[in-house]
Amino acid sequence: DQQVKQNSPSLSVQEGRISILNCDYTNSMFDYFLWYKKYPAEGPTFLISISSIKDKNEDGRFTVFLNKSAKHLSLHIVPSQPGDSAVYFCAASAGAQKLVFGQGTRLTINP
Amino acid sequence: DAGVIQSPRHEVTEMGQEVTLRCKPISGHNSLFWYRQTMMRGLELLIYFNNNVPIDDSGMPEDRFSAKMPNASFSTLKIQPSEPRDSAVYFCASQVSPGGPDEQFFGPGTRLTVL
Repeated sequence: DQQVKQNSPSLSVQEGRISILNCDYTNSMFDYFLWYKKYPAEGPTFLISISSIKDKNEDGRFTVFLNKSAKHLSLHIVPSQPGDSAVYFCAASAGAQKLVFGQGTRLTINP
Repeated sequence: DAGVIQSPRHEVTEMGQEVTLRCKPISGHNSLFWYRQTMMRGLELLIYFNNNVPIDDSGMPEDRFSAKMPNASFSTLKIQPSEPRDSAVYFCASQVSPGGPDEQFFGPGTRLTVL
């Protein structure tokens, strides 16, 4: 009953290219979506978010896209840098503080 | 600010033993969350507190798990008795409530290994 799914456990991208991380959800009550980034031996840190009333939110090199009809969101990182190598978690909430996370995708940026 | 503090950072124990994980939230934060990270399920919310009161414990897997928040600056997650399948990284997070879901700050986690 995984409500938030990240189907790619890992992704490898060349430095300077675009990284695209994907996330699918099943609960139509989710109205806020977030991406967290996690380095080894550290806790997750908030990266970027999007409300369900929008379909795109951009912050520097990071852009999150939301497709409500497909119940799908994606995180684009361009250009990718070595420091972007981390585990990325997609998360969703339904009008409250409670977050539902996906399994995570390990992104490796190759020089 | 010191951020969310968790102890111990690593815990190795044998099956059947009691395990206690500790968390000190950021000063002034009145909501506290306990999460568990596993490869299969990612990050799962176990329980969260508002103003020291448990609000939602639906993620607590079994009666072997219990959590307390005796005051605004301290919380514990206890597993008794522990089992090998409890091996995971346990995170504590805190935020100011009311607040948005993007305002949670995570601690560094406790890596638990149950042999």
